[in-house]
Amino acid sequence: DVKVTQSSRYLVKRTGEKVFLECVQDMDHENMFWYRQDPGLGLRLIYFSYDVKMKEKGDIPEGYSVSREKKERFSLILESASTNQTSMYLCASISPRAANTGELFFGEGSRLTVL
Amino acid sequence: RKEVEQDPGPFNVPEGATVAFNCTYSNSASQSFFWYRQDCRKEPKLLMSVYSSGNEDGRFTAQLNRASQYISLLIRDSKLSDSATYLCVVNGETSYDKVIFGPGTSLSVIP
Repeated sequence: DVKVTQSSRYLVKRTGEKVFLECVQDMDHENMFWYRQDPGLGLRLIYFSYDVKMKEKGDIPEGYSVSREKKERFSLILESASTNQTSMYLCASISPRAANTGELFFGEGSRLTVL
Repeated sequence: RKEVEQDPGPFNVPEGATVAFNCTYSNSASQSFFWYRQDCRKEPKLLMSVYSSGNEDGRFTAQLNRASQYISLLIRDSKLSDSATYLCVVNGETSYDKVIFGPGTSLSVIP
């Protein structure tokens, strides 16, 4: 059974704290994505990566960074969390060979609250 | 203009009804199109791909109009279990392009 695992389902952090969200996939997928999902705004792409050590900015990269040191792991970092980063964060992966099937595999999400 | 736009919803329909969702996209070079379903507090999951010739999967029919840059999803004989948010998804020109999600349309099927 294919799997994308996100390290934490629920986190509560304080303004200014550094936050790490980790995502691991076991499907040997090249492409991985971080989205945030907010009511009325849908899923917005933060960063994506198409290979180890490669990264591309999505639509809303400000305030975030990412790390892809190993193919299976894609981390999202909030250097200094702010209240407007309170959101649901979703990690996803896809193989380029499956791009036409469109099947992104998502993790269960990490709900972050910044106080 | 947003890259992918959907009917705002929410749609509240009785069991057995037929409901249609629409979606428009702005990038005429987009190659692949999909509908995802997202249950409350769950992650999105692929419902079906959308092919140029139109395609059907049981009670679900998807259609694509490239000239109008328009995608639709029709659900016939709605079931209570169809209640969810339906996301229109557009893939870019290459496999490395970002996948763009629409904001989603919420459907509630009422007994």
